[in-house]
Amino acid sequence: EDQVTQSPEALRLQEGESSSLNCSYTVSGLRGLFWYRQDPGKGPEFLFTLYSAGEEKEKERLKATLTKKESFLHITAPKPEDSATYLCAVQVDSNYQLIWGAGTKLIIKP
Amino acid sequence: NAGVTQTPKFQVLKTGQSMTLQCAQDMNHNSMYWYRQDPGMGLRLIYYSASEGTTDKGEVPNGYNVSRLNKREFSLRLESAAPSQTSVYFCASRSGQGGEQFFGPGTRLTVL
Repeated sequence: EDQVTQSPEALRLQEGESSSLNCSYTVSGLRGLFWYRQDPGKGPEFLFTLYSAGEEKEKERLKATLTKKESFLHITAPKPEDSATYLCAVQVDSNYQLIWGAGTKLIIKP
Repeated sequence: NAGVTQTPKFQVLKTGQSMTLQCAQDMNHNSMYWYRQDPGMGLRLIYYSASEGTTDKGEVPNGYNVSRLNKREFSLRLESAAPSQTSVYFCASRSGQGGEQFFGPGTRLTVL
């Protein structure tokens, strides 16, 4: 069964304290892995797509990496405005159906 | 561009009542999706429409119906609401050029 697991469920950091969020997956054939950010009361906002092991994408303080079993979202020197829930999803078919993880709630304290 | 819009933003229903959630996108996207989001769980796909005129079931279609009215609009109908359908509902669209989906602001539905 296709499955996506995110850890930790919640992460509290001090401003400037770098860390990583994990997304592990078991799928029959990975067609793409997506990272989204979700603020309270809003819809998910697209961040990155990764397609093959070894691929990396960066945007401001965020960097996403991909291996054959998991993806990491590295956050460097975070600021309070980076506080949000980060969602990971994998594409499982040609119709771009996505299997979603439950998310990691990131809180950055000033 | 407004992107993906959803109405209403909030709704309270009694068990057995029906309602339709509306979704529209102005990005000329081919594919549209309806998800529900429950605490502690990932987004779950209810129905999707790969292109105008087609709809398919997702992971949790029971109790729902959809209509792809035209390329812009994709509605979700609850014929007889149940408390288990209390959730936040998101509509999304995808261009066809890439896999990323663009989401609306959501509808928070409570069924009493």
